[in-house]
Amino acid sequence: AQSVAQPEDQVNVAEGNPLTVKCTYSVSGNPYLFWYVQYPNRGLQFLLKYITGDNLVKGSYGFEAEFNKSQTSFHLKKPSALVSDSALYFCAVRGPQGSSASKIIFGSGTRLSIRP
Amino acid sequence: SAVISQKPSRDICQRGTSLTIQCQVDSQVTMMFWYRQQPGQSLTLIATANQGSEATYESGFVIDKFPISRPNLTFSTLTVSNMSPEDSSIYLCSIVDSHLYEQYFGPGTRLTVT
Repeated sequence: AQSVAQPEDQVNVAEGNPLTVKCTYSVSGNPYLFWYVQYPNRGLQFLLKYITGDNLVKGSYGFEAEFNKSQTSFHLKKPSALVSDSALYFCAVRGPQGSSASKIIFGSGTRLSIRP
Repeated sequence: SAVISQKPSRDICQRGTSLTIQCQVDSQVTMMFWYRQQPGQSLTLIATANQGSEATYESGFVIDKFPISRPNLTFSTLTVSNMSPEDSSIYLCSIVDSHLYEQYFGPGTRLTVT
């Protein structure tokens, strides 16, 4: 069965500094990996995905994520954090289409707090 | 991306009653999902609902408690039956864009059971 882990409940970063939100996964076969963001009292928004191709994927709001197959990781990054990036971030993994693991499973979430 | 709406956006219900949550999508989709989320917590998949077939429930969730309908390719309902305070949560409808492999979520229904 697939699983995804976000080892940090909270990440605190000063505005203007780079940020990293960590994610590791476990799935049989090639993974589909996703990052979502949830602002307070708002729905879940899609940020970016890795399906195949370049290991570095770029998404919304200046975020990017690096797929590392050997380390089974998909960390979310941004070169310069903004206060408005403060939110709850979820990593998610899905197994190959048509497989028994083809549903998306979410990590526990990491609360990102950017201080001015 | 598809636009997903849910009704009601929130409700406060008495213990022992049932609530039906509606999910409407502005395009036809094959797969729809229902999730539950405690505020500030992760999402838990309740069931997968494909049009024309019975919903597939995840471990810990049963049809008698969470009956689902999927009458067409743009609509689904989730009923939370015989509610208890432990059912207080946010319930989210979700769809998959099979071409982009992206999954989108409705705004959620915040349910409080007293």
